[in-house]
Amino acid sequence: SAVISQKPSRDICQRGTSLTIQCQVDSQVTMMFWYRQQPGQSLTLIATANQGSEATYESGFVIDKFPISRPNLTFSTLTVSNMSPEDSSIYLCSVELGQGADGYTFGSGTRLTVV
Amino acid sequence: GENVEQHPSTLSVQEGDSAVIKCTYSDSASNYFPWYKQELGKRPQLIIDIRSNVGEKKDQRIAVTLNKTAKHFSLHITETQPEDSAVYFCAASLAGTASKLTFGTGTRLQVTL
Repeated sequence: SAVISQKPSRDICQRGTSLTIQCQVDSQVTMMFWYRQQPGQSLTLIATANQGSEATYESGFVIDKFPISRPNLTFSTLTVSNMSPEDSSIYLCSVELGQGADGYTFGSGTRLTVV
Repeated sequence: GENVEQHPSTLSVQEGDSAVIKCTYSDSASNYFPWYKQELGKRPQLIIDIRSNVGEKKDQRIAVTLNKTAKHFSLHITETQPEDSAVYFCAASLAGTASKLTFGTGTRLQVTL
C-alpha cells in the first residue's frame, strides 16, 4: 500500500492569510483528491488534482480560494487563501490506488484553525 | 451527481451484539462501495469494500451487502467490541475511472460494556 505524507499536521493561522498544505505519495498515482472535513461532519470533496492540467473543482469551491498544484505524479499542494474562521477544518488528501489494492487512501490530514 | 444517504447517524450497542449501518445511493452507474472507519483525531481507514459484481463480502467480523436493484448497501459488524467504537462512513464511486468518492454523512457507533 502507498504511504501518504501530509504536512503540516496542524496549524493556527490569522484571518486573511494563506496556508499551503503538501501531500507526498511514495508511488506514482494518477489522481489525487483534496477533501475538507468540518468538525463533526463528513468528508466533502474540494477538487481533483490533475497532473499536467488544472484541477477540477466541485460545486461551491473555486480556484481563487483553493488553488491546487500537481507538478508530478507523486506530489500535490492545496492552498487555503484569504482565510476566515469558517475555513477551520481538517483538510485531507487522498489517492486512488486502483482496483484490487487499497482503493482510496487518505493522508493523515491537516487540522487548520483560523483565528 | 451522486448522492449517498446513511442511517443511523448514531448507534449504540452492547459489546457482543451486532451493528448494522445502511446506505443508499442515487447514481445507478456507481459500482464501487467502500466503508471507512474514522477514530477520533485520525484519518479515515478503509475497512471493507464491495464492487457491483458481487452481492456480499465478508472479512472476519465485518460484512458488506449490496442490493444494486434497490441501490443500497449495508455494513454488518458482528460480536462488537469496544475498539469498534468510531465513526463509520460509507461511500460510492464509479471505479476504474479514477472517479471521486461521494461520502455518506457518517454513523457514530458506540459499543458499551
